[in-house]
Amino acid sequence: GDSVTQMEGPVTLSEEAFLTINCTYTATGYPSLFWYVQYPGEGLQLLLKATKADDKGSNKGFEATYRKETTSFHLEKGSVQVSDSAVYFCALSLYNFNKFYFGSGTKLNVKP
Amino acid sequence: KAGVTQTPRYLIKTRGQQVTLSCSPISGHRSVSWYQQTPGQGLQFLFEYFSETQRNKGNFPGRFSGRQFSNSRSEMNVSTLELGDSALYLCASSLLTDSDTQYFGPGTRLTVL
Repeated sequence: GDSVTQMEGPVTLSEEAFLTINCTYTATGYPSLFWYVQYPGEGLQLLLKATKADDKGSNKGFEATYRKETTSFHLEKGSVQVSDSAVYFCALSLYNFNKFYFGSGTKLNVKP
Repeated sequence: KAGVTQTPRYLIKTRGQQVTLSCSPISGHRSVSWYQQTPGQGLQFLFEYFSETQRNKGNFPGRFSGRQFSNSRSEMNVSTLELGDSALYLCASSLLTDSDTQYFGPGTRLTVL
C-alpha cells in the first residue's frame, strides 16, 4: 500500500550545521509530496511541497527534490538555527483522494 | 485570510463520556480531514469530508464519527471515551485544486481521565 518512511529521530545538531532528513515513499500512482513542520504545542504547518518528478520545493532555507527514480524526498538545509527545532513530517497525497499519508515524524534539536 | 480554527483547544473528560470537537476550515475550502496524533502511533487519519459527504475513512472504531455542515464547518464526535483516546486531534482543510495541500488547525488536546 501507499506509505511514507522517514528517518527516526531525534536528530541533534549544532547551530549552522547541515541538515538532512531522509524520506522515502511507496505509492501506486503519482503522488504529491510534502514536508510539514510542527512546533511544540501547535498544529502542522506546510513547509514545502513538490507535485511532480524533479520538482524542487523550497522555503525558509529548506529544500527537497522529488526523486521518482529513488522514490525519495529528502529535506535539506544548509545552516540550521535554534529556531528550527521542531518535528518534521514527510507526507504524500494521491490526487483526488485527498487522503494524506504521513511519516512518523523526525524531531530536530538544534543546540546553540 | 483566517486559518483553520478548532474549538475547544483543550478538553478534559472522563471514561465513558462523549465529546464533540469543532473545526472551521479556511474560507472557500470544502474538504475537511481529521487526524489523531499520539506519541505512540503518530498521525493517524480519521476521516475526510467533502460537501457534507464522508469520502474517506481511516481504521478507527465506530465510536469515532463526524459530520460536515453546508458551510463546510465540521464536527467530530467520540462516544464512550477510553483512556487511549487521549490525543491531539487535528483538523485540516483543503481547496482540492491546490495540489491537494492540506492546511492544519492548532488542534484540540483531549485528555481522558
